[in-house]
Amino acid sequence: AQTVTQSQPEMSVQEAETVTLSCTYDTSESDYYLFWYKQPPSRQMILVIRQEAYKQQNATENRFSVNFQKAAKSFSLKISDSQLGDAAMYFCAYRSADSNSGYALNFGKGTSLLVTP
Amino acid sequence: DVKVTQSSRYLVKRTGEKVFLECVQDMDHENMFWYRQDPGLGLRLIYFSYDVKMKEKGDIPEGYSVSREKKERFSLILESASTNQTSMYLCASSFLETGADTQYFGPGTRLTVL
Repeated sequence: AQTVTQSQPEMSVQEAETVTLSCTYDTSESDYYLFWYKQPPSRQMILVIRQEAYKQQNATENRFSVNFQKAAKSFSLKISDSQLGDAAMYFCAYRSADSNSGYALNFGKGTSLLVTP
Repeated sequence: DVKVTQSSRYLVKRTGEKVFLECVQDMDHENMFWYRQDPGLGLRLIYFSYDVKMKEKGDIPEGYSVSREKKERFSLILESASTNQTSMYLCASSFLETGADTQYFGPGTRLTVL
């Protein structure tokens, strides 16, 4: 099974500043998808951003962007102009493109992001 | 908007009880998933289903079973609850066609087994 590692259990950022959350993964596959999910204190998990491995261009969604380094198997999330509402647990996830896998997600252990005024 | 609902937000059961956790999605998704979330361990897959009456074991299926009699509903069953099954349980659903599709999560059920 693919392993997803988030080496930062907790991070802190001041409002309006930029923060980068790290994620590395281990796989022998060439085709896969990577995701960042956010889980606010209310517990509803929502998708922040996703990246297809075959695409070289880094995905962006408003203030959220990724730095995808396929050779290094690295997938970091950058949050610009941080807001209080960004405070949450962030999970990095991997999904195989192989249909036999059932498209289940492999999650990292999460990074808790604190945003201070 | 896609909606995934779970029958209870909080549940307290006794050791040995049979427990049913229900999940319903309203977007005609083929795939449905049950995850368990524990602090410091992230989310771990218990079971998933890609069609009615079809199920596949995930990483930690021991002590659990599932049922999918209708496309929109996916139930997680603890045949005989134990204290080590105290956890947050998250249900999710997605379309079958591509692996890039988003998984939509329910609000979670926090189960305490005494």
